[in-house]
Amino acid sequence: DIQLTQSPSFLSASVGDRVTITCRASQGISSYLAWYQQKPGKAPKLLIYGASTLQSGVPSRFSGSGSGTEFTLTISSLQPEDFATYYCQQLNSYPPTFGQGTRLEIK
Amino acid sequence: QMQLQESGPGLVKPSQTLSLTCSVSGGSIRGGGYYWSWIRQHPKKGLEWIGYIYDNGSTDYNASLKSRITMSVDTSKNQFSLKLSSVTAADTAVYYCARGPTAHDAFDIWGQGTMVTVSS
Repeated sequence: DIQLTQSPSFLSASVGDRVTITCRASQGISSYLAWYQQKPGKAPKLLIYGASTLQSGVPSRFSGSGSGTEFTLTISSLQPEDFATYYCQQLNSYPPTFGQGTRLEIK
Repeated sequence: QMQLQESGPGLVKPSQTLSLTCSVSGGSIRGGGYYWSWIRQHPKKGLEWIGYIYDNGSTDYNASLKSRITMSVDTSKNQFSLKLSSVTAADTAVYYCARGPTAHDAFDIWGQGTMVTVSS
């Protein structure tokens, strides 16, 4: 199975900050990477697919980039509702696998 | 818009079979060309894909669980189901049903999740 390693695991930031989360794959996955946001007690919400395509309805402050083995999720200006846990997910090969998560908290 | 809702027992005894159903509303399982998955999340941990079923009944399961999984679909009821046999405490998790993987290789609609505890 392809392993995804996210960094950092924990991030403390303030409203208005620009933050970047990295996801590294154990082998090349082209652009078959998605990002999700999960709030406590809720299901994950799809933010980005194809490494850089914003899901419909997702604010443009979210962006994704990368290909191969290294990917980033950037939030350009943090809003209060963005404090959550973020996961990456690959589907270059089965089974789909997820990163361990990055918890983003208010400083 | 489409919504998914999991249902089933919240407590299962060790060695028994966990059974969950996902009811789909706001759209049809049949004919949409979508896969329908189960994904679980162990307490305070990450996400694990369990498997998917297509509307014609074809399936693919995570090899780590394959020997214990059965998925089925009932298009007349717009539902799909998961059975996981011989459960242990390690199967305690929140279980989600989700639409996908889609053509974009992601899971775009999720149920709210249901907590299943394996305990005697």
